[in-house]
Amino acid sequence: GAVVSQHPSRVICKSGTSVKIECRSLDFQATTMFWYRQFPKKSLMLMATSNEGSKATYEQGVEKDKFLINHASLTLSTLTVTSAHPEDSSFYICSARNLAASYNEQFFGPGTRLTVL
Amino acid sequence: AQTVTQSQPEMSVQEAETVTLSCTYDTSESDYYLFWYKQPPSRQMILVIRQEAYKQQNATENRFSVNFQKAAKSFSLKISDSQLGDAAMYFCAYRAGVAGGTSYGKLTFGQGTILTVHP
Repeated sequence: GAVVSQHPSRVICKSGTSVKIECRSLDFQATTMFWYRQFPKKSLMLMATSNEGSKATYEQGVEKDKFLINHASLTLSTLTVTSAHPEDSSFYICSARNLAASYNEQFFGPGTRLTVL
Repeated sequence: AQTVTQSQPEMSVQEAETVTLSCTYDTSESDYYLFWYKQPPSRQMILVIRQEAYKQQNATENRFSVNFQKAAKSFSLKISDSQLGDAAMYFCAYRAGVAGGTSYGKLTFGQGTILTVHP
């Protein structure tokens, strides 16, 4: 099956610092990846669509200068939370679309828990 | 914009019994897909079942089946012979088809239903 990894799984940082989260498709190429944010016992909210070799498309209300997305290769997308603040603390999940899979299925990473002190 | 609504924040079921989780959605598209995802305590999202809107036959995957009512825009999940491992948060999700343009591929999730399974 298709596997997506995220690194790190947990990160704690100080307010004002930047944090980078990696999302990798391990056994397939993904021209499109998605980044979601999830609060405890809440739904997944799509933040942005990451396209390989082009700029990410951000959902309404998501600050593109705060959440920098780079999709430099067919297997890697990164989300950088710049100048993090406590309100950015959340669970971040990525998914990768596998065009070779049935129905172009998305496969999810295990998530990254970000805590900003 | 598409919306997905899960009106049951929490549900519970006895082991070996059957439970149905509700989901309604709103869309003006004719080409779309519907999904149920399971998120256990590990928080890894797991695809449970999918339904193509153009198919009238309800999807079934082992103990999981759906009741897809296209006209009513309803998409419920039935779990038969519930097991302790079914305990999780369940999300209903919508995805536009190719005709959805820029929305293609994006998943819109419902609020989720926490399912508890009692032994």
